[in-house]
Amino acid sequence: GAVVSQHPSWVICKSGTSVKIECRSLDFQATTMFWYRQFPKQSLMLMATSNEGSKATYEQGVEKDKFLINHASLTLSTLTVTSAHPEDSSFYICSAREVGRNYGYTFGSGTRLTVV
Amino acid sequence: DAKTTQPPSMDCAEGRAANLPCNHSTISGNEYVYWYRQIHSQGPQYIIHGLKNNETNEMASLIITEDRKSSTLILPHATLRDTAVYYCIVPGDSGGYQKVTFGTGTKLQVIP
Repeated sequence: GAVVSQHPSWVICKSGTSVKIECRSLDFQATTMFWYRQFPKQSLMLMATSNEGSKATYEQGVEKDKFLINHASLTLSTLTVTSAHPEDSSFYICSAREVGRNYGYTFGSGTRLTVV
Repeated sequence: DAKTTQPPSMDCAEGRAANLPCNHSTISGNEYVYWYRQIHSQGPQYIIHGLKNNETNEMASLIITEDRKSSTLILPHATLRDTAVYYCIVPGDSGGYQKVTFGTGTKLQVIP
């Protein structure tokens, strides 16, 4: 089945530094990828949607300059948290949809970001 | 995307069937219903999806009402490993692209 690999699974960084999270579709091509953030005991919150070949669309309240999303190819999307602060500490999850399929959203295993 | 409503929590005895309801009264004719579950600190796991016919796979069954305004996910023989948050999702077009948002889901606790 479709597999999405997310890396790293966890990261600790110092406040003010930037962190890049990668999301790869291993056995399929993905025209659309989604990035979510999840705080403890809360549901997943959609941050942005990216379509290969175009800029990401950010949800209201999500700072596009802080959370840089690059859908570099049909198998790779990256989320860069710039100038991270402790309040950015969260669980980040990506999702991808296979080209040509009208269904099937596959999720990565998530990245636990801790900013100290 | 159509808004979904689920009960916040449910308990189920181990070995019994777990029936998780979802209301999606604003669903449109060509929108699918998807079910995912999330075990603590992991990414959501796909369970099943359907359009209007009932569906069954090795994990679960999905019953969709005739008017498509609600559905029920059935785990036929719940085990302790089925304890998770279950999400019912109806992705929809939003300005030309599909958007997948999560509601609060149902926290299913399987009790020994």
